[in-house]
Amino acid sequence: GAGVSQSPSNKVTEKGKDVELRCDPISGHTALYWYRQSLGQGLEFLIYFQGNSAPDKSGLPSDRFSAERTGGSVSTLTIQRTQQEDSAVYLCASSGLAGGETQYFGPGTRLLVL
Amino acid sequence: SQQGEEDPQALSIQEGENATMNCSYKTSINNLQWYRQNSGRGLVHLILIRSNEREKHSGRLRVTLDTSKKSSSLLITASRAADTASYFCATPRGGNNRLAFGKGNQVVVIP
Repeated sequence: GAGVSQSPSNKVTEKGKDVELRCDPISGHTALYWYRQSLGQGLEFLIYFQGNSAPDKSGLPSDRFSAERTGGSVSTLTIQRTQQEDSAVYLCASSGLAGGETQYFGPGTRLLVL
Repeated sequence: SQQGEEDPQALSIQEGENATMNCSYKTSINNLQWYRQNSGRGLVHLILIRSNEREKHSGRLRVTLDTSKKSSSLLITASRAADTASYFCATPRGGNNRLAFGKGNQVVVIP
């Protein structure tokens, strides 16, 4: 079956613009995670969705970051008023069980803020 | 080795040689996982070892876990050029099992 997909693959934007990043998890997976990978910070957790429960937003770095998951499937990560330090690879992962152990990652979106 | 505060490690080996990399962690864990990343994009899950296991094998991969030292090692035997990648250890944290990653080990296998 299809794996986790993300779009766009690459995004170049100007400082101050808003961006939306999309994640399609593996069908049937109830848990969805967003991570960010940057040169200075390594891989960081951002946000977690599990079914219809309230998301765990504890990893979001600022209130410019938000995410939603519609219908328990597709998720969108939105960054408002982008800053240069937001430049990173944004990775989405899903897992099959509630808090499942193995996470399956998408190819990521490489974001560059000029 | 990799852990939260250390710089990523780099390893360059000839094809056919074994590659060993290490990881340390700080908190108690239920399991430890190793992932591979090619070209800075998506991560691929390689192997999971539980806290009550000391060693686990999967194909050419061998993972050890020493909970008393809070460390793990990943051995890739008979390396191939296709093994060139970055390798990360990760431990699940919190009730949502979000992964906390090490800084990574960059492995280059020379054909």
